[in-house]
Amino acid sequence: EVQLLESGGGLEQPGGSLRLSCAASGFIFSNYGMSWVRQAPGKGLEWVSGIRESGAPTYYADSVKGRFTISRDNSKNTLYLQMNSLRVEDTAIYYCGKSQGWAGDLNYWGQGTLVTVSS
Amino acid sequence: EIVLTQSPGTLSLSPGERATLSCRASQSVSRSYLAWYQQKPGQAPRLLIYGASSRVTGIPDRFSGSGSGTDFTLTISRLEPEDFAVYYCQQYDISPWRFGQGTKVEFK
Repeated sequence: EVQLLESGGGLEQPGGSLRLSCAASGFIFSNYGMSWVRQAPGKGLEWVSGIRESGAPTYYADSVKGRFTISRDNSKNTLYLQMNSLRVEDTAIYYCGKSQGWAGDLNYWGQGTLVTVSS
Repeated sequence: EIVLTQSPGTLSLSPGERATLSCRASQSVSRSYLAWYQQKPGQAPRLLIYGASSRVTGIPDRFSGSGSGTDFTLTISRLEPEDFAVYYCQQYDISPWRFGQGTKVEFK
């Protein structure tokens, strides 16, 4: 059974940093692309970042480019999102998702981790 | 960048009725790399359709996707009570792999 478990969310001040993790199990992690998608309270889905099976290339939404970094450790079956220079508008539930192949079509999702950016 | 516009914003229907949801892209989505997701309150999204028209295993056949280029449609042939939710389209042809703003299918 495919499982994705996000962690690392919490309350952070504007300008601060957080690192999200997504522990994957139930599939061959190194064979699939992965993505992060977020959802602000009461809003729609926003794709944030994606990464190929091997770790490169990586892809970003304009809203996070230069501030967020996606990475993966295939030996630990774990996906990461390093979030720097956090803004109030980064407040959202962050989901990790598994691609069906290498791109952004996500057939499995975690339950999400809440990131709140507030002073 | 490809921007997706979904219409209508809200669809008010009754169980048993047909739902037709539209997703229009600002430029052609090549290879029909267009997906549809369903999201219910408090839940993660669920992939329904990929490649514009391919149904994910286990998704009921009342859900169907069609279209190519810039115009795509998700059709629910006969609404069941569990189908009332928000639906999003997403293109994964060109990064950023954006979502549309969503269509809410609500009880009439």
